[in-house]
Amino acid sequence: GQSLEQPSEVTAVEGAIVQINCTYQTSGFYGLSWYQQHDGGAPTFLSYNGLDGLEETGRFSSFLSRSDSYGYLLLQELQMKDSASYFCAVRDPPKGNYQLIWGAGTKLIIKP
Amino acid sequence: SQTIHQWPATLVQPVGSPLSLECTVEGTSNPNLYWYRQAAGRGLQLLFYSVGIGQISSEVPQNLSASRPQDRQFILSSKKLLLSDSGFYLCAWSPQSRGQINYGYTFGSGTRLTVV
Repeated sequence: GQSLEQPSEVTAVEGAIVQINCTYQTSGFYGLSWYQQHDGGAPTFLSYNGLDGLEETGRFSSFLSRSDSYGYLLLQELQMKDSASYFCAVRDPPKGNYQLIWGAGTKLIIKP
Repeated sequence: SQTIHQWPATLVQPVGSPLSLECTVEGTSNPNLYWYRQAAGRGLQLLFYSVGIGQISSEVPQNLSASRPQDRQFILSSKKLLLSDSGFYLCAWSPQSRGQINYGYTFGSGTRLTVV
């Protein structure tokens, strides 16, 4: 079957660095995306990796290794506002029209 | 710029009543449109997607239906709500162009539905 695995919960300290991992098993692959969702809010798009390597956007970076079917989201200089759930998602061509297959989400808890 | 509007924000409906949630997109044409449902503390479940007017694909068999009467309008409906229909409903759009494959989904603000 097709699935994405990510930890259900991660705890970190304000100002620290945290890495959220995602491994995927899909029949096709057109890139790995990351979304952030605060409690009660809607998901917002963070990043997309279509090729191997690291993509950096401010304090957030995302990494992809297609040979390992693995990616991660790296959050640096953690702030309390980063407390949220983070979802990885894969574009899977057999699903048609760039549908996404979603992980179950990782709840990031930040302690002061 | 593109925006997506979804309403209402919250809804409390009795079991057996009908449902209509509406979503509209501005600033783009021919978008892919999606309806998702999210149970509390859980991931996103794709309910329906549409690649064009009148073209609806269903991912999960249930008592919900969707329609796309206009290019940028997507409606989620039910004739008779069940308790299990409670959840957070999210509309989203993405570009159809393959050249914009690195664009993420843009979600509406969501509708929190409670069936009582």
